[in-house]
Amino acid sequence: DAGITQSPRHKVTETGTPVTLRCHQTENHRYMYWYRQDPGHGLRLIHYSYGVKDTDKGEVSDGYSVSRSKTEDFLLTLESATSSQTSVYFCAISEFQGSNSPLHFGNGTRLTVT
Amino acid sequence: AQRVTQPEKLLSVFKGAPVELKCNYSYSGSPELFWYVQYSRQRLQLLLRHISRESIKGFTADLNKGETSFHLKKPFAQEEDSAMYYCALSGGSNYKLTFGKGTLLTVNP
Repeated sequence: DAGITQSPRHKVTETGTPVTLRCHQTENHRYMYWYRQDPGHGLRLIHYSYGVKDTDKGEVSDGYSVSRSKTEDFLLTLESATSSQTSVYFCAISEFQGSNSPLHFGNGTRLTVT
Repeated sequence: AQRVTQPEKLLSVFKGAPVELKCNYSYSGSPELFWYVQYSRQRLQLLLRHISRESIKGFTADLNKGETSFHLKKPFAQEEDSAMYYCALSGGSNYKLTFGKGTLLTVNP
């Protein structure tokens, strides 16, 4: 398995509080991604990074921000959590930018916003 | 815009029966298609991709551009095949990887 660690694995928080999820990789891959997984929606891309300090929005980026200050870490922040952000969040990495370089996923973080 | 449709949310078969998980796509360019699988309590992982034309764990998938489909097939299902399966389409870059909503396959003994 690719060396991807997500923390925390589970988180319960209250509406309106900030939350930061961490993705740490030991593969030195350039590309990193944050997805959310919801029943009936599959996986949807929130943000992605194509290098240190280089990030861009995915299809469901509203309410989320990201930062990548080091190759190995990609942080996802919910500035003010809402109940609609209750989900399972997956980090993924890839070595190259292209479909010949498949995504490797972390184990996920289950976030509950009450 | 690119779109992936998996019409079945749930699919249940008996062990030894053939299984087909359907995937249809919409994309104006030349698509690259994948199947990802998530077993219980495990991370999502790549199962196969159409450019490789390979068989993984007995599964195959053929890209049919005429029908815009990439159905996943296995002639004899096993209990360990029970999992969530996602079809995904790439518009040439990983950040343009679009997933379907997934099909939960249950193989009964």
